[in-house]
Formats: sequence, structure tokens, C-alpha cells
Amino acid sequence: QSVLTQPPSASGTPGQNVTISCSGATSNIGRNTVTWYRQLPGTAPELLITSTNLRPSGVPDRYSGPKSGTSASLVISGLQSEDEADYYCAAWDDSLNGYIFGTGTKVTVL
Amino acid sequence: QVQLVESGGGVVQPGRSLRLSCVGSGFTFSTYAMHWVRQAPGKGLQWVAIISYDGSKKYYADSVKGRFSISRDDSKNSMYLQMNSLEPDDTALYYCARGNLGGFDYWGQGAAVAVSS
Repeated sequence: QSVLTQPPSASGTPGQNVTISCSGATSNIGRNTVTWYRQLPGTAPELLITSTNLRPSGVPDRYSGPKSGTSASLVISGLQSEDEADYYCAAWDDSLNGYIFGTGTKVTVL
Repeated sequence: QVQLVESGGGVVQPGRSLRLSCVGSGFTFSTYAMHWVRQAPGKGLQWVAIISYDGSKKYYADSVKGRFSISRDDSKNSMYLQMNSLEPDDTALYYCARGNLGGFDYWGQGAAVAVSS
């Protein structure tokens, strides 16, 4: 598997919680850390959270990134307008000896 | 603060070569693995290559293996991507990223590469 599977879109109203799934395999999500990125239009991606719950300084704790088995999730609590962006998961794959990214999810704030 | 700045992008004909550079500042460059990640126009992210902190290990995506070569010069806080035998499918924005926390914790703004005749 050379790509992690994400839903193409997700949406919610301000204040709602939104969950994005990321499905993989034992060789990637099953054995390695999953990281999540937000990409605002026209900008570089930024790291939000890891599946070990590490968050870069400056990233609000509204983001969490649990992992179970060969799947991971990004939970955005209290959706805000600034959350309207593309989101990607990523993980190292032991079989490929490389990183693979998710297919990406566009989040819309209604 | 941590900064990564890419350069060297441009328009090139299929089959030709191009070398991208990435200069890091605001951190001890020599202690971090570094990556190249690309994004084709309107598409998602694709990891391209990694070089370990000491340059001893290098891994590549299957799509570029044998054509691209990653290297680093810690005396210049720099990383490079030599791209040979370029194909139209290599057209993308190429990001330099620092490896940390199991992923990529800082990204540059990208260098645009267009492969077209």
C-alpha cells in the first residue's frame, strides 16, 4: 500500500467537533508514529499533532491524534474558521522504507 | 526561529537535470534528518527522499529511485536534491522539511519545478 486512505471531505459548523480518519496497514500505521498536517491555501503544510500526542509549540490543544491498530484519526474540537484547510496524515512504512501520505481531506467550516 | 529556504527551481525540458538546494537556519542543522516532499499542482503531498542526520542513510520514493539523489553539506547548513532524467510527472512544488517527532516539523515555502517541452 503506497498511500494512506482519508475521506476526501469533512465539514462542520463553528464549535462542532470534526473527526478525520486515516487508514493504513501494519507496516505503516500499525508500527509507526502517525503525524497530521494542515495546509492552508497557498501555503506550506504545518505539523499539527502526532499519534504519540506530541504537539509543536503554538499549536492549540483543540487537535488530538489517536491511533488504534492500523487506523488513526485527527479530532478537531471546537471547529473554527481558521480550520478550513486541507489535512494530511503521514507515516513511515517499514516495507517501502519511506514515508507515505494520506490522500488528503478538505475541511469546510459551514 | 527555524527557517528553511529552497532554491533552484525552474522550467526544464524532459530528460534534463536540475538541482534544488535547501538552506536551514535557527537550529543545529547537522543533528537532524532532512526530507524532500513534493506536491503536484492541485494534488496531494508525496514524500520524495530522506537523508539521515549524518548523511549515512538515504532513502527514496520508488517513483524517483535511480533518477534523484539527495545529499547534504553541514558546513553550509544545506541539503540538495539532484534531479536527473526529469519527466513531466516530476512537475511539482518541492518542499524541504526537517525530520522530527516521527514526521516533518518544519517546512520551507517550496521551489517550483516544471518539466515541459
